[in-house]
Amino acid sequence: KNQVEQSPQSLIILEGKNCTLQCNYTVSPFSNLRWYKQDTGRGPVSLTIMTFSENTKSNGRYTATLDADTKQSSLHITASQLSDSASYICVVLSDSRNDMRFGAGTRLTVKP
Amino acid sequence: SQTIHQWPATLVQPVGSPLSLECTVEGTSNPNLYWYRQAAGRGLQLLFYSVGIGQISSEVPQNLSASRPQDRQFILSSKKLLLSDSGFYLCAWSTSSNQPQHFGDGTRLSIL
Repeated sequence: KNQVEQSPQSLIILEGKNCTLQCNYTVSPFSNLRWYKQDTGRGPVSLTIMTFSENTKSNGRYTATLDADTKQSSLHITASQLSDSASYICVVLSDSRNDMRFGAGTRLTVKP
Repeated sequence: SQTIHQWPATLVQPVGSPLSLECTVEGTSNPNLYWYRQAAGRGLQLLFYSVGIGQISSEVPQNLSASRPQDRQFILSSKKLLLSDSGFYLCAWSTSSNQPQHFGDGTRLSIL
């Protein structure tokens, strides 16, 4: 069973709308959680990295939240643009060296 | 600035043929290096990682091997490809296991 579950699996929204992607994890012990954006046919690009003590972190129109107690994270995208169409991957790093667990990603499509 | 290069971008190989994918990093020294495979519609799977020259850790048993002959060069190889080796192979680097990873643009490998 994957220790990082992302939802929804896919999402279609209209340009200009907001959306929120979810990531639930069971990885323990926890070191940090990362959100990546992966355009089709390209490598993932880091959006945010959050440690245990961080609740919210923003990167432009992207805002990630972390609740370490409930082991949940979300990625909120504000005023979506066509270029936001991509897969968004949640990765949780355990305290164990290089023990990373990847979610299967959420495929976001932004339509005009 | 740091850059990562992977080649080739696409590759079509017959079953049973050998494989060599190369990844090089510029602008940094002694990086952690990673090889991932991403099957269609699936999450990233860590195959190998290296914390130094000649140091390779394998995450899953498989038909592939990795080598790090130089500080910023990481090679993924196989002596005999299987159909199941098809996928999108990504190389990544980071300054340490707790820092974000920077990915290359990947190699799309198709086995016929």
